[in-house]
Amino acid sequence: EVQLVESGGGLVQPGGSLRLSCVASGFIFSDYYMDWVRQAPGKRLEWVGRIKERAHSYTTEYAASVKGRFTISRDDSNNSLYLQMDSLKTDDTAVYYCARLWGSGLIDYWGQGTLVTVSS
Amino acid sequence: DIQMTQSPSTLSASVGDRVTITCRASQSINTWLAWYQHRPGKAPKLLIYKASNLESGVPSRFSGSGSGTEFTLTISSLQPDDFATYYCQHYNNDLFYTFGQGTKLEIK
Repeated sequence: EVQLVESGGGLVQPGGSLRLSCVASGFIFSDYYMDWVRQAPGKRLEWVGRIKERAHSYTTEYAASVKGRFTISRDDSNNSLYLQMDSLKTDDTAVYYCARLWGSGLIDYWGQGTLVTVSS
Repeated sequence: DIQMTQSPSTLSASVGDRVTITCRASQSINTWLAWYQHRPGKAPKLLIYKASNLESGVPSRFSGSGSGTEFTLTISSLQPDDFATYYCQHYNNDLFYTFGQGTKLEIK
């Protein structure tokens, strides 16, 4: 059974940092592109960023709203995905989901999400 | 950017009802559309991909149709577990994808 389990969310002050983790199981993690997606209160789901697999040099891509502040990385030996969030803003308050991509950019599995609250 | 608009935003229905949710794209997306179900506190679940293909393990009471700019998700006979929020998503091999704003399906 494919599972994605996020952790690391919490309350952080504006300008602060937080690192989210996502542990994958039930599939060959190293074979897949992985995304982070978020949903702010009352807003629609928003793509945050992507990391490709080793065959594509672990290339990363980011939404304009987080580029330069967020960094995605992965540790295939531990089936783990990470999201380092720096210079956090109140607008970054959201539930953050990790997601597995399957062919043509389709998300076929999601984690249950972890809440990040940016507030003073 | 392609915008996705769902209607209605909220839908009240009873167990056994047939319901339809609509998703419209701001420009043609062929059949590059997925539908997800999201229950509170749970991981979103893929229901339909490529507009009309049922994901493995998803009950056959769920169906999708459409192409171009207009798409529908139909649940033929609502079950208690179906009360959730449903999202459409435009996807393809481009850099990023966009979601509809969601349709909350409530018990009448």
